[in-house]
Amino acid sequence: QQPVQSPQAVILREGEDAVINCSSSKALYSVHWYRQKHGEAPVFLMILLKGGEQKGHDKISASFNEKKQQSSLYLTASQLSYSGTYFCGTENQAGTALIFGKGTTLSVSS
Amino acid sequence: GAGVSQSPSNKVTEKGKDVELRCDPISGHTALYWYRQSLGQGLEFLIYFQGNSAPDKSGLPSDRFSAERTGGSVSTLTIQRTQQEDSAVYLCASSFEGVTVTDTQYFGPGTRLTVL
Repeated sequence: QQPVQSPQAVILREGEDAVINCSSSKALYSVHWYRQKHGEAPVFLMILLKGGEQKGHDKISASFNEKKQQSSLYLTASQLSYSGTYFCGTENQAGTALIFGKGTTLSVSS
Repeated sequence: GAGVSQSPSNKVTEKGKDVELRCDPISGHTALYWYRQSLGQGLEFLIYFQGNSAPDKSGLPSDRFSAERTGGSVSTLTIQRTQQEDSAVYLCASSFEGVTVTDTQYFGPGTRLTVL
């Protein structure tokens, strides 16, 4: 089943923070986060594995709560370069590929 | 090559025609994925190749869609008798092993298919 992302869109000014949520109706082993800028290919941000770990990537971090079957992506002190569509992906039933959410579009303005 | 490449970058075709989309994965990557991205939608999994194993075709939307991977490298996605609803961006991704999805996927720039 496709994970559900919220919100669908976020509008920020530079320096503001945002949280993007990703939830699944099935048990998860991992959650993957990608960012896609308009007209470009999705780019990998991070993978979170079962165990409730939290990861960071510059000022972008994420948490994974496997009990709640959800992950959150935290963007702090947002920069213009953070603009794009963020996708979370969870493994399909066969564990061979990712099922992506519909994405959250983040727009950061100066 | 340095990254995943796809060709053509844009394809406009008439309804009912067949199209072939090509993907060149990163050298040394054994896993290859095809996804479809329709306007405003997420990335829809189509098919997965891993080494010499039988591909996972569970995401193909109809029997008009097929894909092959020759020599464990280049892959071709073929859509027969195209329909307007096939219009989308078709993305290819590769990963080093792909045995588990904890392996990072690297995406190509995509092929934008427009069916008139």
